[in-house]
Amino acid sequence: EEQLVESGGGLIQRGGSLRLSCAVSEFTVDSNSMSWVRQAPGKGLEWVSVIYRDGTTYSADSVKGRFTISRDSSKNTLYLQMNSLRDEDTAVYYCARLDSISATYFDFWGQGALVTVSS
Amino acid sequence: QSALTQPASVSGSPGQSITISCTGTSSDVGGYEYVSWYQKHPGKAPKLMLYDVTKRPSGVSNRFSGSKSGNTASLTISGLQAEDEADYYCSSYTNSRAFAVIFGGGTKLTVL
Repeated sequence: EEQLVESGGGLIQRGGSLRLSCAVSEFTVDSNSMSWVRQAPGKGLEWVSVIYRDGTTYSADSVKGRFTISRDSSKNTLYLQMNSLRDEDTAVYYCARLDSISATYFDFWGQGALVTVSS
Repeated sequence: QSALTQPASVSGSPGQSITISCTGTSSDVGGYEYVSWYQKHPGKAPKLMLYDVTKRPSGVSNRFSGSKSGNTASLTISGLQAEDEADYYCSSYTNSRAFAVIFGGGTKLTVL
């Protein structure tokens, strides 16, 4: 079955940088549209960034200019480069695969990586 | 403020049925058959429960069903079980944003 495994989370100082990775198996990261979704403590799900099959990327206004989504086909891995981290970026970050037909729902999710931004 | 509106909480007793609503606009829920629902237990990854309004992924119990009327979609869980206690999020395609998927704020389901 398809698997997504995040890594790279941790405790980081405000203003710092962190890169999350999402290693996938049983499918290829560049033949699917992939996304990052986060959940802050006590809050709901919030979409963060997406990279479509054709390489087009978008990010939420809350992270635009600070976060960058990318993928490495040779490693079959999705990344989220997070710069200028703020307290409000503290959350569990999930990588998720968009369905291959309509790209309108997330059919597989990783287990999540906790990012804690501290002063 | 979430783009889709869900009740903050619902509750029901074992064996009963409950319905969770998800209200949007004609630019999202009302305009397309692309509503999905996710179950989220604390500390676990979200799990896809329904997609395309009414379709269930393989392995999801048929106690979970979906419907839509106008700008409001609904998730119904019949024969409530203790393990159904979780947060539920709706999601929809939208034509009003660069990234075409939006979430609801989530609903906490309590099984009494």
